[in-house]
Amino acid sequence: DTGVSQDPRHKITKRGQNVTFRCDPISEHNRLYWYRQTLGQGPEFLTYFQNEAQLEKSRLLSDRFSAERPKGSFSTLEIQRTEQGDSAMYLCASSLWGGREETQYFGPGTRLLVL
Amino acid sequence: DAKTTQPPSMDCAEGRAANLPCNHSTISGNEYVYWYRQIHSQGPQYIIHGLKNNETNEMASLIITEDRKSSTLILPHATLRDTAVYYCIPWGGYGQNFVFGPGTRLSVLP
Repeated sequence: DTGVSQDPRHKITKRGQNVTFRCDPISEHNRLYWYRQTLGQGPEFLTYFQNEAQLEKSRLLSDRFSAERPKGSFSTLEIQRTEQGDSAMYLCASSLWGGREETQYFGPGTRLLVL
Repeated sequence: DAKTTQPPSMDCAEGRAANLPCNHSTISGNEYVYWYRQIHSQGPQYIIHGLKNNETNEMASLIITEDRKSSTLILPHATLRDTAVYYCIPWGGYGQNFVFGPGTRLSVLP
């Protein structure tokens, strides 16, 4: 399967702990997106990369959140000092941006529960 | 970003066509209309997208009105596995992010 993969699929942590999620995009996709989805809502954009450059960050991405894509391939999303409000599904998507249109392909998500 | 209006829920009998409407009256000329669906606890799945012309692929057909203010996603022969939340997303490209609304919860009934 050559789709977007995410690891772990589930994470339970205690409030105040740090967590890190990994996303492996579809090979050769130059854009990678992170979204957050809470129960009953649609996904909300957090940030995206074009190759290794982080081009945009949502206001939802507080100082406790950081994302990297060091070599333009996989990406990590770290949440420091987790809070119960961080409990959500974290989705990663990748796309091949060619200058006009793109289709984002989503991974299965990482479900985070902060106790 | 263009705003969308979709019915919150719809039912469809198995084997019948499911027609999911979306109103995007504020869509701009360069914005495509994308459709995704999300089956419970999974990541969103791309279905189809279009700009002006109607589009068809192995999953669905997309009908866009001539004024582009609305579109309809058609699943020609709905199955139980098509039960999902369906999102209609206008998207104009560079500098614009996907904005997911609440979508339509489609229930395919046996």
